Amino acid sequence: DIQMTQSPSTLSASVGDRVTITCRASQTIGRRLAWFQQKPGKAPKLLIYQASTLEIESGVPPRFSGSGSGTEFTLTISSLQPEDFASYYCQQLYTYPLTFGGGTRVEIK
Amino acid sequence: EVQLVESGGGLVQPGGSLRLSCAASGFTFSDHYMDWVRQAPGKGLEWVGRIRNKVDSYTTEYAASVRGRFIISRDDSKNSLYLQMSSLKTDDTAVYFCVRVLRGGNYDYWGQGALVTVSS
Repeated sequence: DIQMTQSPSTLSASVGDRVTITCRASQTIGRRLAWFQQKPGKAPKLLIYQASTLEIESGVPPRFSGSGSGTEFTLTISSLQPEDFASYYCQQLYTYPLTFGGGTRVEIK
Repeated sequence: EVQLVESGGGLVQPGGSLRLSCAASGFTFSDHYMDWVRQAPGKGLEWVGRIRNKVDSYTTEYAASVRGRFIISRDDSKNSLYLQMSSLKTDDTAVYFCVRVLRGGNYDYWGQGALVTVSS
Protein backbone atom coordinates (compact mmCIF):
# COMPACT_ATOMS: atom_id res chain seq x y z
CA ASP A 1 0.00 0.00 0.00
CA ILE A 2 1.12 3.57 -0.60
CA GLN A 3 1.68 5.42 2.66
CA MET A 4 0.93 9.13 2.69
CA THR A 5 2.80 11.12 5.34
CA GLN A 6 1.63 14.62 6.13
CA SER A 7 3.58 17.21 8.06
CA PRO A 8 3.18 18.93 10.35
CA SER A 9 0.35 17.20 12.19
CA THR A 10 -0.56 20.48 13.87
CA LEU A 11 0.23 23.98 12.76
CA SER A 12 -0.35 27.18 14.76
CA ALA A 13 -0.68 30.30 12.65
CA SER A 14 -2.19 33.77 12.59
CA VAL A 15 -4.61 35.40 10.19
CA GLY A 16 -2.62 36.65 7.21
CA ASP A 17 0.17 34.10 7.55
CA ARG A 18 1.43 32.04 4.62
CA VAL A 19 0.98 28.38 5.48
CA THR A 20 2.49 25.30 3.82
CA ILE A 21 1.53 21.69 4.44
CA THR A 22 3.59 18.83 3.02
CA CYS A 23 2.45 15.39 1.91
CA ARG A 24 4.95 12.66 1.01
CA ALA A 25 4.06 9.43 -0.76
CA SER A 26 5.98 6.21 -0.06
CA GLN A 27 6.25 5.63 -3.84
CA THR A 28 5.67 7.73 -6.90
CA ILE A 29 2.08 8.68 -7.62
CA GLY A 30 2.63 11.06 -10.54
CA ARG A 31 0.24 13.94 -9.95
CA ARG A 32 -2.61 11.79 -8.66
CA LEU A 33 -3.10 13.72 -5.46
CA ALA A 34 -6.01 15.60 -3.95
CA TRP A 35 -6.28 17.93 -0.97
CA PHE A 36 -9.32 18.25 1.28
CA GLN A 37 -10.39 20.64 4.01
CA GLN A 38 -12.54 19.42 6.88
CA LYS A 39 -14.21 21.42 9.61
CA PRO A 40 -15.49 19.82 12.83
CA GLY A 41 -18.68 17.82 12.35
CA LYS A 42 -18.67 18.35 8.59
CA ALA A 43 -17.80 16.27 5.57
CA PRO A 44 -14.48 17.01 3.85
CA LYS A 45 -14.42 19.47 0.98
CA LEU A 46 -12.24 19.08 -2.12
CA LEU A 47 -9.75 21.93 -2.53
CA ILE A 48 -7.20 20.75 -5.08
CA TYR A 49 -7.01 17.80 -7.48
CA GLN A 50 -4.34 16.51 -9.85
CA ALA A 51 -1.86 18.00 -7.38
CA SER A 52 -2.35 21.60 -8.49
CA THR A 53 -5.79 22.14 -10.04
CA LEU A 54 -8.03 24.35 -7.91
CA GLU A 55 -11.60 23.14 -7.45
CA ILE A 56 -13.10 26.40 -8.68
CA GLU A 57 -16.50 24.87 -9.35
CA SER A 58 -17.28 24.82 -5.63
CA GLY A 59 -15.79 28.25 -5.05
CA VAL A 60 -12.41 27.37 -3.56
CA PRO A 61 -10.58 30.72 -3.30
CA PRO A 62 -7.28 31.26 -5.14
CA ARG A 63 -5.34 31.74 -1.91
CA PHE A 64 -5.19 27.93 -1.92
CA SER A 65 -2.62 26.36 -4.23
CA GLY A 66 -1.03 22.97 -4.68
CA SER A 67 2.23 21.83 -6.17
CA GLY A 68 4.42 18.79 -6.55
CA SER A 69 4.68 15.52 -8.38
CA GLY A 70 6.12 12.08 -7.83
CA THR A 71 6.43 11.68 -4.09
CA GLU A 72 6.41 15.19 -2.63
CA PHE A 73 3.51 17.60 -2.61
CA THR A 74 2.56 20.83 -0.89
CA LEU A 75 -0.61 22.72 -0.11
CA THR A 76 -0.11 26.43 0.40
CA ILE A 77 -2.51 28.99 1.79
CA SER A 78 -1.10 32.36 0.76
CA SER A 79 -2.85 34.46 3.40
CA LEU A 80 -4.67 32.54 6.12
CA GLN A 81 -8.25 33.65 6.72
CA PRO A 82 -10.41 32.97 9.81
CA GLU A 83 -12.48 30.41 7.89
CA ASP A 84 -9.34 28.43 7.00
CA PHE A 85 -8.79 27.13 10.52
CA ALA A 86 -9.61 23.48 9.93
CA SER A 87 -8.01 20.10 9.25
CA TYR A 88 -6.44 19.29 5.90
CA TYR A 89 -5.90 15.89 4.30
CA CYS A 90 -4.10 14.68 1.21
CA GLN A 91 -5.24 11.60 -0.71
CA GLN A 92 -3.48 9.57 -3.38
CA LEU A 93 -5.63 8.36 -6.27
CA TYR A 94 -2.84 6.50 -8.10
CA THR A 95 -3.62 2.97 -7.04
CA TYR A 96 -5.79 0.87 -4.75
CA PRO A 97 -6.16 1.00 -1.87
CA LEU A 98 -6.66 4.73 -2.02
CA THR A 99 -4.95 6.24 1.00
CA PHE A 100 -5.13 9.49 2.94
CA GLY A 101 -2.49 11.32 4.85
CA GLY A 102 -2.88 11.51 8.60
CA GLY A 103 -4.10 15.10 8.48
CA THR A 104 -2.86 18.53 9.48
CA ARG A 105 -4.81 20.62 11.95
CA VAL A 106 -4.40 24.35 11.40
CA GLU A 107 -5.15 26.18 14.61
CA ILE A 108 -5.16 29.79 15.73
CA LYS A 109 -1.88 30.99 17.21
CA GLU B 1 -28.95 19.93 -6.32
CA VAL B 2 -26.76 16.91 -5.67
CA GLN B 3 -27.57 15.22 -2.39
CA LEU B 4 -26.20 12.12 -0.68
CA VAL B 5 -28.00 11.05 2.48
CA GLU B 6 -26.71 8.17 4.58
CA SER B 7 -28.91 6.17 6.93
CA GLY B 8 -28.80 2.99 8.96
CA GLY B 9 -26.12 3.88 11.48
CA GLY B 10 -26.38 2.96 15.13
CA LEU B 11 -25.05 0.87 17.98
CA VAL B 12 -24.11 -2.75 17.30
CA GLN B 13 -22.30 -5.37 19.35
CA PRO B 14 -18.93 -6.75 18.31
CA GLY B 15 -19.44 -9.57 15.85
CA GLY B 16 -22.73 -8.11 14.70
CA SER B 17 -23.93 -6.81 11.35
CA LEU B 18 -25.32 -3.55 10.05
CA ARG B 19 -26.29 -2.19 6.65
CA LEU B 20 -25.80 1.44 5.71
CA SER B 21 -27.69 3.04 2.87
CA CYS B 22 -26.94 6.16 0.89
CA ALA B 23 -29.79 7.79 -1.02
CA ALA B 24 -28.61 9.83 -3.99
CA SER B 25 -30.49 12.57 -5.79
CA GLY B 26 -29.90 15.48 -8.13
CA PHE B 27 -27.68 13.62 -10.59
CA THR B 28 -27.58 10.51 -12.77
CA PHE B 29 -26.53 8.06 -10.08
CA SER B 30 -26.00 5.19 -12.49
CA ASP B 31 -23.23 7.06 -14.31
CA HIS B 32 -20.95 7.32 -11.31
CA TYR B 33 -18.59 5.18 -9.33
CA MET B 34 -19.30 5.56 -5.61
CA ASP B 35 -17.02 5.22 -2.59
CA TRP B 36 -17.36 4.77 1.14
CA VAL B 37 -14.92 6.63 3.39
CA ARG B 38 -14.91 6.43 7.18
CA GLN B 39 -13.54 8.45 10.05
CA ALA B 40 -13.07 7.09 13.55
CA PRO B 41 -13.82 9.57 16.35
CA GLY B 42 -11.07 12.17 16.53
CA LYS B 43 -9.06 10.41 13.82
CA GLY B 44 -8.28 10.85 10.13
CA LEU B 45 -10.00 9.68 6.98
CA GLU B 46 -9.86 6.06 5.82
CA TRP B 47 -11.00 4.84 2.41
CA VAL B 48 -13.29 1.81 2.78
CA GLY B 49 -14.07 0.82 -0.77
CA ARG B 50 -15.51 1.54 -4.20
CA ILE B 51 -18.18 0.23 -6.52
CA ARG B 52 -17.97 0.98 -10.20
CA ASN B 53 -20.90 1.62 -12.51
CA LYS B 54 -22.77 -0.76 -14.81
CA VAL B 55 -20.44 0.03 -17.73
CA ASP B 56 -17.62 -1.35 -15.59
CA SER B 57 -19.67 -4.31 -14.39
CA TYR B 58 -20.31 -3.04 -10.87
CA THR B 59 -16.90 -4.30 -9.81
CA THR B 60 -15.65 -3.44 -6.36
CA GLU B 61 -12.45 -2.60 -4.49
CA TYR B 62 -11.92 -2.76 -0.73
CA ALA B 63 -9.45 -1.70 1.90
CA ALA B 64 -7.63 -4.64 3.44
CA SER B 65 -9.10 -3.79 6.85
CA VAL B 66 -12.65 -4.54 5.66
CA ARG B 67 -12.16 -7.02 2.82
CA GLY B 68 -14.14 -10.19 3.45
CA ARG B 69 -16.34 -8.51 6.06
CA PHE B 70 -17.89 -5.57 4.18
CA ILE B 71 -19.79 -5.65 0.89
CA ILE B 72 -20.57 -2.61 -1.22
CA SER B 73 -23.56 -2.81 -3.52
CA ARG B 74 -25.87 -0.48 -5.38
CA ASP B 75 -29.35 -0.38 -6.83
CA ASP B 76 -29.41 2.07 -9.71
CA SER B 77 -33.20 1.76 -10.01
CA LYS B 78 -33.45 3.18 -6.50
CA ASN B 79 -30.51 5.60 -6.76
CA SER B 80 -29.08 3.92 -3.71
CA LEU B 81 -25.69 2.77 -2.47
CA TYR B 82 -25.24 0.22 0.31
CA LEU B 83 -22.57 -0.93 2.72
CA GLN B 84 -23.25 -4.30 4.31
CA MET B 85 -21.01 -4.68 7.33
CA SER B 86 -20.55 -7.97 9.16
CA SER B 87 -18.24 -9.41 11.81
CA LEU B 88 -17.97 -5.88 13.14
CA LYS B 89 -15.11 -4.96 15.43
CA THR B 90 -14.71 -2.08 17.87
CA ASP B 91 -12.17 -0.62 15.41
CA ASP B 92 -14.99 -0.21 12.88
CA THR B 93 -16.54 2.50 15.05
CA ALA B 94 -16.61 5.56 12.81
CA VAL B 95 -18.66 8.01 10.83
CA TYR B 96 -19.20 6.50 7.40
CA PHE B 97 -19.48 8.84 4.41
CA CYS B 98 -20.71 7.97 0.95
CA VAL B 99 -18.91 9.90 -1.76
CA ARG B 100 -19.52 10.55 -5.43
CA VAL B 101 -16.56 9.81 -7.69
CA LEU B 102 -15.95 11.86 -10.81
CA ARG B 103 -14.59 10.48 -14.07
CA GLY B 104 -11.03 11.41 -13.15
CA GLY B 105 -11.33 9.59 -9.84
CA ASN B 106 -11.71 12.70 -7.72
CA TYR B 107 -14.43 13.25 -5.16
CA ASP B 108 -16.86 16.10 -5.34
CA TYR B 109 -19.93 15.43 -3.22
CA TRP B 110 -20.01 13.78 0.20
CA GLY B 111 -22.93 12.75 2.36
CA GLN B 112 -23.29 14.08 5.89
CA GLY B 113 -22.13 10.78 7.36
CA ALA B 114 -23.67 8.00 9.45
CA LEU B 115 -22.24 7.07 12.84
CA VAL B 116 -21.64 3.39 13.51
CA THR B 117 -20.68 2.47 17.05
CA VAL B 118 -19.45 -1.06 17.74
CA SER B 119 -19.54 -1.70 21.46
CA SER B 120 -20.77 -4.23 23.98
